[in-house]
Amino acid sequence: AQKITQTQPGMFVQEKEAVTLDCTYDTSDPSYGLFWYKQPSSGEMIFLIYQGSYDQQNATEGRYSLNFQKARKSANLVISASQLGDSAMYFCAMRVRKTSYDKVIFGPGTSLSVIP
Amino acid sequence: DGGITQSPKYLFRKEGQNVTLSCEQNLNHDAMYWYRQDPGQGLRLIYYSQIVNDFQKGDIAEGYSVSREKKESFPLTVTSAQKNPTAFYLCASSKGRLMGLGETQYFGPGTRLLVL
Repeated sequence: AQKITQTQPGMFVQEKEAVTLDCTYDTSDPSYGLFWYKQPSSGEMIFLIYQGSYDQQNATEGRYSLNFQKARKSANLVISASQLGDSAMYFCAMRVRKTSYDKVIFGPGTSLSVIP
Repeated sequence: DGGITQSPKYLFRKEGQNVTLSCEQNLNHDAMYWYRQDPGQGLRLIYYSQIVNDFQKGDIAEGYSVSREKKESFPLTVTSAQKNPTAFYLCASSKGRLMGLGETQYFGPGTRLLVL
């Protein structure tokens, strides 16, 4: 069965420092997509970054990068130069393709607090 | 501006009452989804629809119903059969599975449902 694990319920980081949020996944499908979303206290989910299972290079989007280690089945999010506005819940998600639909599985999330 | 709107922001349900959560998108997306989020947990799929007049059950469909009569709209009804409806409900849309595994879901601001 597919599963996403995020082992860090809460993380603290000093402003302007880098932080890594862990994500491991489990699937037997050879083709899948990995996503990270940010959820501020307002509740809306905001897409951050995507990594495909066949992508050779790690994805980057501005201050966000995804450390993809396929053999270890990990897809850690790295936020560089943390800002106060980065304080939020962060969710790792995986999309796999089934016969008639795409299934998206979300992890339990990591709460990030940026300290001034 | 294109986006997804959900209403109301807060909804109160009395015992034995059915309530309907609204979700509208003007992104011209084919696929729409309903997720439930409980405190400290990730998102769980309730229902999804890949095209007008078609929808499929997700992982936790019991006690919920949906309709998809228009491309723009995907309302969710929480019926009296749902014994523990207190949660945060998120609606999402995407272009459709033909776009591939990297297809991003766009989320609405959510509706918080509370039982009186």
